[in-house]
Amino acid sequence: NAGVTQTPKFRVLKTGQSMTLLCAQDMNHEYMYWYRQDPGMGLRLIHYSVGEGTTAKGEVPDGYNVSRLNKREFSLRLESAAPSQTSVYFCASSLSGRDYNEQFFGPGTRLTVL
Amino acid sequence: GNSVTQMEGPVTLSEEAFLTINCTYTATGYPSLFWYVQYPGEGLQLLLKATKADDKGSNKGFEATYRKETTSFHLEKGSVQVSDSAVYFCALSDSSSSGSARQLTFGSGTQLTVLP
Repeated sequence: NAGVTQTPKFRVLKTGQSMTLLCAQDMNHEYMYWYRQDPGMGLRLIHYSVGEGTTAKGEVPDGYNVSRLNKREFSLRLESAAPSQTSVYFCASSLSGRDYNEQFFGPGTRLTVL
Repeated sequence: GNSVTQMEGPVTLSEEAFLTINCTYTATGYPSLFWYVQYPGEGLQLLLKATKADDKGSNKGFEATYRKETTSFHLEKGSVQVSDSAVYFCALSDSSSSGSARQLTFGSGTQLTVLP
């Protein structure tokens, strides 16, 4: 089992460029999440999905679009990147949304917007 | 709203020293509490959890007790190793939140470095 995988691992963008981050999980999990991690701020939830074809906003959704492509894959798209979106992005998945279901995290994508 | 406050780092200890990382929380309902660990270059991994008051979570020599009266979930280990060097995050999941997904609220993280 690969667990949760993310592509790419690193990316540098110029302001205004677009890109898509892709996340895939092989654990048959229903729930998937996108977080951003900024220094001194912990992780903040951007968007999440409770199943194929569903998406919902998290704490910091502005400037991001997501798509649950199928049960395995969840994408995060930046249509017009801004320097404020420089961050490390983590995807996670869980069996369900219940408290006792652990969230499993991918290795992260380090994005720099110049 | 919900919030998690963690002891500021970085924390540097010698091998075999005792570790405490403080964590306090504010929540509107009855949260579950978690400690996650992030090793260099990796994603977060669940270290331990507690789902109700007075529960003690434990794993790999780490322990934390859910204290409702002090709204705390401090992480402890009796004897740290160099391999414990990582960033530790306290988090809560509020069972009173609406919707079908319990969102995690994270603290800011504490960097731990253990020297040989």
